[in-house]
Amino acid sequence: KAGVTQTPRYLIKTRGQQVTLSCSPISGHRSVSWYQQTPGQGLQFLFEYFSETQRNKGNFPGRFSGRQFSNSRSEMNVSTLELGDSALYLCASEKGQAIPDEQFFGPGTRLTVL
Amino acid sequence: AQSVTQLGSHVSVSEGALVLLRCNYSSSVPPYLFWYVQYPNQGLQLLLKYTTGATLVKGINGFEAEFKKSETSFHLTKPSAHMSDAAEYFCAVRVWSNTGKLIFGQGTTLQVKP
Repeated sequence: KAGVTQTPRYLIKTRGQQVTLSCSPISGHRSVSWYQQTPGQGLQFLFEYFSETQRNKGNFPGRFSGRQFSNSRSEMNVSTLELGDSALYLCASEKGQAIPDEQFFGPGTRLTVL
Repeated sequence: AQSVTQLGSHVSVSEGALVLLRCNYSSSVPPYLFWYVQYPNQGLQLLLKYTTGATLVKGINGFEAEFKKSETSFHLTKPSAHMSDAAEYFCAVRVWSNTGKLIFGQGTTLQVKP
């Protein structure tokens, strides 16, 4: 079974631009969560999508948004990029059933904002 | 609010020595607890999890952890460290079963000396 895939793996943008990151979950998984990882703040939850609906949201500004498609693939978008948005963005997929299961993480997208 | 504290951002052990990584959590309701490992330039991999039942949980690669409610702890141990165990380890808590949100500790970097 293929794992979680994220594209692109590396991205360089300049301040003020916007960026879209993509995540393809494991087949059959309906939940996709996004996390931001930085040396200073560690791993922080951005949001979770389940069956195309945002189920939970972290404490990030509105510049960070996401969506999920009918095939469970998810995208996150960051508008008006700031230097502080430089981070590793990880997505994780899960079956999404009632009993907490393992979240499978992708390799991440390394975003650098210049 | 839920939180996770990992004591010690860096832990160094000799190959063959006991590994002990400490994790304490704060939660007003019974938590679900996880340990993840991250190797350089990779995503997170689940080592083990506690949801319900037996408080001593065995995971992959010889790791285990014990859930101690009275101490609000979930320390990770391995009897004998191997060079390949060098990585960053994250403890995480998840409170509600109907959301994929994980709250992570700051991480502990494990160094294994030959």
